[in-house]
Amino acid sequence: DAKTTQPNSMESNEEEPVHLPCNHSTISGTDYIHWYRQLPSQGPEYVIHGLTSNVNNRMASLAIAEDRKSSTLILHRATLRDAAVYYCILRRDNNAGNMLTFGGGTRLMVKP
Amino acid sequence: DGGITQSPKYLFRKEGQNVTLSCEQNLNHDAMYWYRQDPGQGLRLIYYSQIVNDFQKGDIAEGYSVSREKKESFPLTVTSAQKNPTAFYLCASSIVAGNTIYFGEGSWLTVV
Repeated sequence: DAKTTQPNSMESNEEEPVHLPCNHSTISGTDYIHWYRQLPSQGPEYVIHGLTSNVNNRMASLAIAEDRKSSTLILHRATLRDAAVYYCILRRDNNAGNMLTFGGGTRLMVKP
Repeated sequence: DGGITQSPKYLFRKEGQNVTLSCEQNLNHDAMYWYRQDPGQGLRLIYYSQIVNDFQKGDIAEGYSVSREKKESFPLTVTSAQKNPTAFYLCASSIVAGNTIYFGEGSWLTVV
């Protein structure tokens, strides 16, 4: 399976935008880019996903590079509740199973 | 409300004992998963099931067993063969294999 690389941690100030990068240089044409986040002592929650085009939802935006070898999760205004570990994951579109592989993720710290 | 329910939230087990973690979902999802998370680490897949009466081993299945007799239930048994079972266990489900995964709140297992 294609791997992703994320920084271990990032810091942001409250109410400022946050750009969380992810590299996936071995991505294949059928791999979807998924982002999840995990608050302390909770299960991960889905944030957003995309294939080729940029995506927006109520939680965040996903910017995908033209060559798809990297992507960026954008939180437009960070709040203290956004402090979490953010996972960037590739999911292949086949019927072999949805075995999302979670790496270490990026721990986002938000300062008031 | 629809969702995934894991129980118990906290469980203590003596060495040499088997313990079963419950996972129930009322989302009508076909696929279900069990992940293990150690402190400060990412998630690792233990077992997954794409449909009732079928399940497959994940990356770290040794010392664990599962059953999928009903669509809504996917219990995980941690056997005495699992040498280091203390961890945070997460159950998840998706509509079909290959779609967005939704997670339960997790179960903390401590061996004493």
